[in-house]
Amino acid sequence: GAGVSQSPRYKVAKRGQDVALRCDPISGHVSLFWYQQALGQGPEFLTYFQNEAQLDKSGLPSDRFFAERPEGSVSTLKIQRTQQEDSAVYLCASSLLFGGRKGNQPQHFGDGTRLSIL
Amino acid sequence: SQQGEEDPQALSIQEGENATMNCSYKTSINNLQWYRQNSGRGLVHLILIRSNEREKHSGRLRVTLDTSKKSSSLLITASRAADTASYFCATANAGNMLTFGGGTRLMVKP
Repeated sequence: GAGVSQSPRYKVAKRGQDVALRCDPISGHVSLFWYQQALGQGPEFLTYFQNEAQLDKSGLPSDRFFAERPEGSVSTLKIQRTQQEDSAVYLCASSLLFGGRKGNQPQHFGDGTRLSIL
Repeated sequence: SQQGEEDPQALSIQEGENATMNCSYKTSINNLQWYRQNSGRGLVHLILIRSNEREKHSGRLRVTLDTSKKSSSLLITASRAADTASYFCATANAGNMLTFGGGTRLMVKP
């Protein structure tokens, strides 16, 4: 596809359930990022991949959050034993190169998955 | 935690007027980027300014960067109703990880 695709667009889960959010980056993009955006706030960094390698996961809020990108393209963000505070929009972004040219790479965002935990 | 502060948090103007949004940040940066977000959608990249640049233009957008004051501004000239959105500044480190501010919600009235 032409852009970053995320699915599902909306997810409602009961507290304690596990959820999995999918991101299809732009074909050929090496870098993939996950962000969490609370209502009325800016996105906050969760984790970053260069190809299949997870190079930074410092933004993951707890060990209930897990992300993978096994073949260096599609990525999945999994949240185990969901809590109400996990309710947010989860955004995925990709960029062509890692750092490269001193990091001057715009990121291309998907429309996000809006997660609501009841 | 968020790196930047945007000012104002909300801005309402008439179509045709100019809109100015400001962003301040805390740490040294590699570059600063501005993004737009329409309600319920993802972010769209608008413009990137490198740390060694002071001003950049793209269409009706003008961005300035003052690294000594750790601040940037985004000017949208001759605003249109379609410019209604939230605008975020984001600073990038050498690894291209972005740290966003809280955003300015712009409403342009027709």
